Amino acid sequence: QQPVQSPQAVILREGEDAVINCSSSKALYSVHWYRQKHGEAPIFLMILLKGGEQKGHDKISASFNEKKQQSSLYLTASQLSYSGTYFCGTANDYKLSFGAGTTVTVRA
Amino acid sequence: NAGVTQTPKFQVLKTGQSMTLQCAQDMNHNSMYWYRQDPGMGLRLIYYSASEGTTDKGEVPNGYNVSRLNKREFSLRLESAAPSQTSVYFCASDRDRNSRGNQPQHFGDGTRLSIL
Repeated sequence: QQPVQSPQAVILREGEDAVINCSSSKALYSVHWYRQKHGEAPIFLMILLKGGEQKGHDKISASFNEKKQQSSLYLTASQLSYSGTYFCGTANDYKLSFGAGTTVTVRA
Repeated sequence: NAGVTQTPKFQVLKTGQSMTLQCAQDMNHNSMYWYRQDPGMGLRLIYYSASEGTTDKGEVPNGYNVSRLNKREFSLRLESAAPSQTSVYFCASDRDRNSRGNQPQHFGDGTRLSIL
């Protein structure tokens, strides 16, 4: 069952912050985050395996609340290169299910 | 490093034709996956293979078959293409021995398939 991402789209100016949420109706084993530029392959950003764990990639970080079956991705001081579609992938027992994606547009 | 290589990159088929999408990885990964990506729906798993010689169905397997030829190669076959199978197809791989979702997945560049 696909996780639910919100918002569907967000527009930012350079330097602004944003949060993307991912929630599942099932207990989660792990949460993955990927970014995809138009016409390209998804690129791995980070994986979270423990409840409450936070990880970072440059100025992009994420948290995982195992009890709430939710994860959030934080884009801090956004850069033009952050533009793209962000997908969360959730694993319960096996295999990943991906959300529909959040399109982020960062403008100068 | 090539990573995950998919061929072809583009293909146009007529309804009822068959074709095979090829995928190869050079990272010595155990698990391989085929996804389709449609607008507004994210990535949906078609089939996966946790190891050489094993394959399992994902969320949307109908109309597709797969072969894990060896550790490097995992092919996807459309026996009788239908317009509903127009999509972008991605192959991915990871180190996981059990496809449990605890390893990063590496994606190929995709195959853009149109069925008329």
